[in-house]
Amino acid sequence: DAMVIQNPRYQVTQFGKPVTLSCSQTLNHNVMYWYQQKSSQAPKLLFHYYDKDFNNEADTPDNFQSRRPNTSFCFLDIRSPGLGDAAMYLCATSRGTGAGRTEAFFGQGTRLTVV
Amino acid sequence: GEDVEQSLFLSVREGDSSVINCTYTDSSSTYLYWYKQEPGAGLQLLTYIFSNMDMKQDQRLTVLLNKKDKHLSLRIADTQTGDSAIYFCAESIRDDKIIFGKGTRLHILP
Repeated sequence: DAMVIQNPRYQVTQFGKPVTLSCSQTLNHNVMYWYQQKSSQAPKLLFHYYDKDFNNEADTPDNFQSRRPNTSFCFLDIRSPGLGDAAMYLCATSRGTGAGRTEAFFGQGTRLTVV
Repeated sequence: GEDVEQSLFLSVREGDSSVINCTYTDSSSTYLYWYKQEPGAGLQLLTYIFSNMDMKQDQRLTVLLNKKDKHLSLRIADTQTGDSAIYFCAESIRDDKIIFGKGTRLHILP
């Protein structure tokens, strides 16, 4: 059974039109992450939540926002998508033990196309 | 700084061993990971190693860690066509962050 579920798998949006990607988890993990992965590049951490605490990466553009209304769900909002935002977006979760062992469980990803 | 480096491509004949190498820069890394990504899919955790270990074996997978040189390797014994994928090295650092390398694309030759 899928433990980290991302919807949709494929999303096409228009240049400048706000888009929301969703992620849900059945693991009851404390931490949820959003990564952006472009072709032949490393997954790049955008931000993560530890419970309700939001941790933004310094180089994440303001165009990217996130919401976590409860433990199970986390959303990635792109306010005005540009062509350069086309990528695979990966959601992941971890227990967040604080002891450094941070096995992350990933969803299948949402591939975003901007037209 | 936080950086994880890997070679981008590796070709191996079916049945041979594959060795994928990785270097990292953050000496405070506590856990290091290998993830596998098949086309169009998310990342699947293959194995991990704690920083006070130097080797871990799990069936066909052997992880070697040289903490002094900040070098991590993944050996896949008896490589099969189903092992064809991109393999990502990753390190966990402070605040539950995980930093990934660019991935090594493993191509299996018949």
